[in-house]
Amino acid sequence: DAGITQSPRHKVTETGTPVTLRCHQTENHRYMYWYRQDPGHGLRLIHYSYGVKDTDKGEVSDGYSVSRSKTEDFLLTLESATSSQTSVYFCAISESDSNNYEQYFGPGTRLTVT
Amino acid sequence: RKEVEQDPGPFNVPEGATVAFNCTYSNSASQSFFWYRQDCRKEPKLLMSVYSSGNEDGRFTAQLNRASQYISLLIRDSKLSDSATYLCVVNADSWGKFQFGAGTQVVVTP
Repeated sequence: DAGITQSPRHKVTETGTPVTLRCHQTENHRYMYWYRQDPGHGLRLIHYSYGVKDTDKGEVSDGYSVSRSKTEDFLLTLESATSSQTSVYFCAISESDSNNYEQYFGPGTRLTVT
Repeated sequence: RKEVEQDPGPFNVPEGATVAFNCTYSNSASQSFFWYRQDCRKEPKLLMSVYSSGNEDGRFTAQLNRASQYISLLIRDSKLSDSATYLCVVNADSWGKFQFGAGTQVVVTP
């Protein structure tokens, strides 16, 4: 299995509080991603990174920010959590290899906003 | 219209039978295609990449039809352990930005 960890694995927080989720990889992969998964929607991209300090928005980025100060860490921050951000959050990594960008996922963080 | 669409199922399959299902994609510029497997409350795991010529990995066969813009997955001799949700993933960008289908649920019964 790819060396990807996420912390925390479970979190319950109150509406309006900031929350930071951490993704850590030991594979030295260039690309890192944050997704959320909700019933009926599949995985939706929140933000992604293509190198240290290089990040960009995905399709559902409103209310989220990210930072990547080291190759191995990609942080996702919910600036002011809302109930609509209750979801399962997955981090993923990939590395280009002959244009075949296979992704590998972390175990997920289950976030509940009350 | 979603960029990647899958029949959500469930496909109820007797053990030992064959099951096949498709995934359609809307972006004709899509370059890479994958099937992932996801067990309940777990992370998606790469099952196989899908190549233009089609490819096989044990009991699993994947096909790509660019003209009709779909990929397929066939599972032969289904095992109870094949019960899972199968995610179709498509990449249309040069650096690796992916679109995910919502998944097809397969339930293998004894």
